[in-house]
Amino acid sequence: DQQVKQNSPSLSVQEGRISILNCDYTNSMFDYFLWYKKYPAEGPTFLISISSIKDKNEDGRFTVFLNKSAKHLSLHIVPSQPGDSAVYFCAARSGSARQLTFGSGTQLTVLP
Amino acid sequence: DAGVIQSPRHEVTEMGQEVTLRCKPISGHNSLFWYRQTMMRGLELLIYFNNNVPIDDSGMPEDRFSAKMPNASFSTLKIQPSEPRDSAVYFCASSLLVAETQYFGPGTRLLVL
Repeated sequence: DQQVKQNSPSLSVQEGRISILNCDYTNSMFDYFLWYKKYPAEGPTFLISISSIKDKNEDGRFTVFLNKSAKHLSLHIVPSQPGDSAVYFCAARSGSARQLTFGSGTQLTVLP
Repeated sequence: DAGVIQSPRHEVTEMGQEVTLRCKPISGHNSLFWYRQTMMRGLELLIYFNNNVPIDDSGMPEDRFSAKMPNASFSTLKIQPSEPRDSAVYFCASSLLVAETQYFGPGTRLLVL
């Protein structure tokens, strides 16, 4: 049973436009959420995170939105750049647990 | 800062052989995680350590898998005997105990023939 779901395996966006990556979760105990970016042949790298006490966190071109009632979060990238092309993983953590539960990832392709 | 170091980067072995994957966490980090990435199951946690002590190994697939952390700067993940279904990319990650962010190594791509 997947507790963190990324239902879109791939997404293509034109350079300069907005990229929106979505993530849904089922475990109501999750209280901290992260997005990781992964390039081929590299490990995932941390991108941005959000605590459940917030509904938005922004860092430059990247903004994460959290809708707790819908158990949904999204990552917005504005404007999208070709270098953003990568696999994006959503991850979640609950309470004092150290482990992260990852989604299956979304391959973002930004077309020049 | 060297980041998390994993070796080897690639491993090809035959079914039944023993495989040992190695990880050096970021200096000062006291939590270490082993993950496996496959097409079918995505990125799944196998085991993690706090201060060199295994905390949760519920993700370890079966007794063929074992992990150790003899000191704060080194961990191994061993598969004995290996099977073709173990073929995957294995990632090691580390973090500060009180921090949320995990830093990943480049991974070891394992192919069991």
